[in-house]
Amino acid sequence: AQKITQTQPGMFVQEKEAVTLDCTYDTSDQSYGLFWYKQPSSGEMIFLIYQGSYDEQNATEGRYSLNFQKARKSANLVISASQLGDSAMYFCAMREGPDFQKLVFGTGTRLLVSP
Amino acid sequence: DTGVSQNPRHKITKRGQNVTFRCDPISEHNRLYWYRQTLGQGPEFLTYFQNEAQLEKSRLLSDRFSAERPKGSFSTLEIQRTEQGDSAMYLCASSLGVGIGKDTQYFGPGTRLTVL
Repeated sequence: AQKITQTQPGMFVQEKEAVTLDCTYDTSDQSYGLFWYKQPSSGEMIFLIYQGSYDEQNATEGRYSLNFQKARKSANLVISASQLGDSAMYFCAMREGPDFQKLVFGTGTRLLVSP
Repeated sequence: DTGVSQNPRHKITKRGQNVTFRCDPISEHNRLYWYRQTLGQGPEFLTYFQNEAQLEKSRLLSDRFSAERPKGSFSTLEIQRTEQGDSAMYLCASSLGVGIGKDTQYFGPGTRLTVL
């Protein structure tokens, strides 16, 4: 069963606008962690933001924030004030395993920021 | 602070040849992970090390694949008798360890393998 679902293959946004990238997850664990990574065309996966299942507040890192809705099992990434350099693939991932040893990734969303 | 590095960045080989990739993690990171990413997909977990011990191997890692991390520093991933289906991006990541703030995985730039 797919554990991370990203239903938006592609998203378009104009520069300086905000955009939300969707992510839903499936787990029976009480303790888990959710991550967002950015992958530019160069291929490197760049860590953006982390949300722990017990965190009471939504995570924020600069222009990135995570809209965490535990009951809905969703962890959407919000990028405010989009920049041209934000154009990339974005992956949502969940940490799993008895030793929290691996990340399970979604299929990604390609974001294109236009001038 | 030096990030995760991987060499080579690109590798083209003929079917049946052996290839070896190297990953240098962030210094003092105890955990090292290998993932494989095919076109249009997210990365898939292959294996991970805690220091020099290889603690888990995915069923994706057939017996043609072997990974090592001697002395708990750099790691190598070898693929023997390559097949066209092995063509993918191979990503390495490292983390400090386990626990809040320690288990974020930082990725290298990847090695893109093309098997002709």
